[in-house]
Amino acid sequence: DIQMTQSPSSLSASVGDRVTITCRASQSIRSNLSWYQQKPGKAPKLLIYAASSLQSGVPSRFSGSGSGTDFTLTIISLRPEDFAIYFCLQSYSPPFTFGPGTKVDIK
Amino acid sequence: EVQLVESGGGLVKPGGSLRLSCAASGFTFTDAWMTWVRQAPGKGLEWVGRIKSRSDGGTTDYAAPMEDRFTISRDDSKTTLYLQMNGLKTEDTAVYYCATEFYSWGFNYWGQGALVTVSS
Repeated sequence: DIQMTQSPSSLSASVGDRVTITCRASQSIRSNLSWYQQKPGKAPKLLIYAASSLQSGVPSRFSGSGSGTDFTLTIISLRPEDFAIYFCLQSYSPPFTFGPGTKVDIK
Repeated sequence: EVQLVESGGGLVKPGGSLRLSCAASGFTFTDAWMTWVRQAPGKGLEWVGRIKSRSDGGTTDYAAPMEDRFTISRDDSKTTLYLQMNGLKTEDTAVYYCATEFYSWGFNYWGQGALVTVSS
């Protein structure tokens, strides 16, 4: 099975900050990597698919990059509504696996 | 508008069974590959399994911990996805989400989730 790691596990940031979250796969997953935002009591929301494509309706301050084993989610100019938990997912080969998540909270 | 609505959650004793449903609307369900994801209280997301469209074989894949106890099925005439869970364990306690697979790029639409609690 493909293992996914994420770093950091949590971070504190201020409104307006630039935030970078990384995700690493235990083997190449090409570009089959997506990013999700989850707020308390809510379902996850797709932000980025195919490693770098912005899902329709998602603000352009979110971006993704990477391929193979190393991936990055960047939020430029953090807004109050961005404080949440972020997960990556590999959908290259079942069983699909999520990263453990990164909690972004207010500094 | 795409809607996925899970139902059938509740409290069940260890060793018991439960069937979750996911009623879909707003898209062509017959063409969709559908997936189940769960989240234990305070924990991360865990993929449960998926079912391909009938035209793509209708086959299923599962995560190892669920493979022998859970069964995913679909009724295209009712645009409904199912998750049959047998031999439930306390560690199966979670919110269960159904979602649509966006080719092999991720899961683009999600239901609101159904809580399953396994406890004596």
